[in-house]
Amino acid sequence: GAVVSQHPSRVICKSGTSVKIECRSLDFQATTMFWYRQFPKQSLMLMATSNEGSKATYEQGVEKDKFLINHASLTLSTLTVTSAHPEDSSFYICSPLEGGAPPGETQYFGPGTRLLVL
Amino acid sequence: SQKIEQNSEALNIQEGKTATLTCNYTNYSPAYLQWYRQDPGRGPVFLLLIRENEKEKRKERLKVTFDTTLKQSLFHITASQPADSATYLCALVSAGSYQLTFGKGTKLSVIP
Repeated sequence: GAVVSQHPSRVICKSGTSVKIECRSLDFQATTMFWYRQFPKQSLMLMATSNEGSKATYEQGVEKDKFLINHASLTLSTLTVTSAHPEDSSFYICSPLEGGAPPGETQYFGPGTRLLVL
Repeated sequence: SQKIEQNSEALNIQEGKTATLTCNYTNYSPAYLQWYRQDPGRGPVFLLLIRENEKEKRKERLKVTFDTTLKQSLFHITASQPADSATYLCALVSAGSYQLTFGKGTKLSVIP
């Protein structure tokens, strides 16, 4: 399967600080990037979808000014949690999609980033 | 609203037996249904995909069925092993879409 990396794998920060999470697609060019978050014992919930070079589309209830997504290259996307609060503590997972991939087919996920806001 | 239910939060099974996990959905007409494995603190790993016009798919010890009338998919692991212990997620995809909608998962524990 495709290789997807995320950095950092886990981060602990103080309330009010910003945290940047990087997602790299190592063996294909990701024209689209999906960002998910997963709370304990809950399903993965899509937060936003970004296409390389354009603004991200956010799901209902996800604040675009709080979760900043940058998808400036075909191999790197970043998610910045601004002014993090304890309720933002979650497991954040990226999923890159290769350009031209048919809908519904295999998708690959990063290993996830565990964020704990104190 | 769309709803995906995986039959139980946790399932314990004896090594060597067949594990059967269920995924039911309502208010949805998926074109594809996917099953993923997720280990603690890790992202999901793709296992199998089945299309709406397919009844069954197999891959080694894994078998997936898809009944669009019952709105249900069954996921079977035969000859289960302790290494199969993980959380298994089903995910649905609408026709023409790339967006996955996930169930909460079933945590499978295979007891030696």
